[in-house]
Amino acid sequence: DAGVIQSPRHEVTEMGQEVTLRCKPISGHNSLFWYRQTMMRGLELLIYFNNNVPIDDSGMPEDRFSAKMPNASFSTLKIQPSEPRDSAVYFCASRRDSYSNQPQHFGDGTRLSIL
Amino acid sequence: DAKTTQPPSMDCAEGRAANLPCNHSTISGNEYVYWYRQIHSQGPQYIIHGLKNNETNEMASLIITEDRKSSTLILPHATLRDTAVYYCIVSRDSGAGSYQLTFGKGTKLSVIP
Repeated sequence: DAGVIQSPRHEVTEMGQEVTLRCKPISGHNSLFWYRQTMMRGLELLIYFNNNVPIDDSGMPEDRFSAKMPNASFSTLKIQPSEPRDSAVYFCASRRDSYSNQPQHFGDGTRLSIL
Repeated sequence: DAKTTQPPSMDCAEGRAANLPCNHSTISGNEYVYWYRQIHSQGPQYIIHGLKNNETNEMASLIITEDRKSSTLILPHATLRDTAVYYCIVSRDSGAGSYQLTFGKGTKLSVIP
């Protein structure tokens, strides 16, 4: 079975540019999570969706960050404008049921470098 | 969610059992214990989770003490591929059906040939 698919795997861009990260959750999964990992702060939850609806975006650091889930098989995390401090690895995860203790399954992340 | 405490690092000889401890003394009755691991440059990988009974799957066993204040993840026959950071996470349903995962620093397990 295909796992969570993220693209691109690596992104290098100059500050001020718009960055769009993409995620395809596991088919049939109803919850989707976006995380960010840095050396300083570790792995942090940014936002999560249940049934394509954003439930909690309290982890989104600034208004420059936005996330959408237009359908059950696709989500984007956008940064506009990007800044060097946004450099991190961004992970997407999905879970089968919206309201359950079932585990989240992670993609292999997008390594973002803002110059 | 309850806080967890893990040793920052551990070594294990290849082929031997790796026993990774986790303290969660403030755990409450509806909180689950989850274990994930992260191999360098990959996403966190789910290993196992449980509420109060011991659990076993093809990857590992999870032993939860009767008072639920601590648990141990057991990798029965460690291989070099098991070298990773292991995260113990306690999570509950916050009411929005979230069972969110809050990652700490984990334990860096090094399997030695």
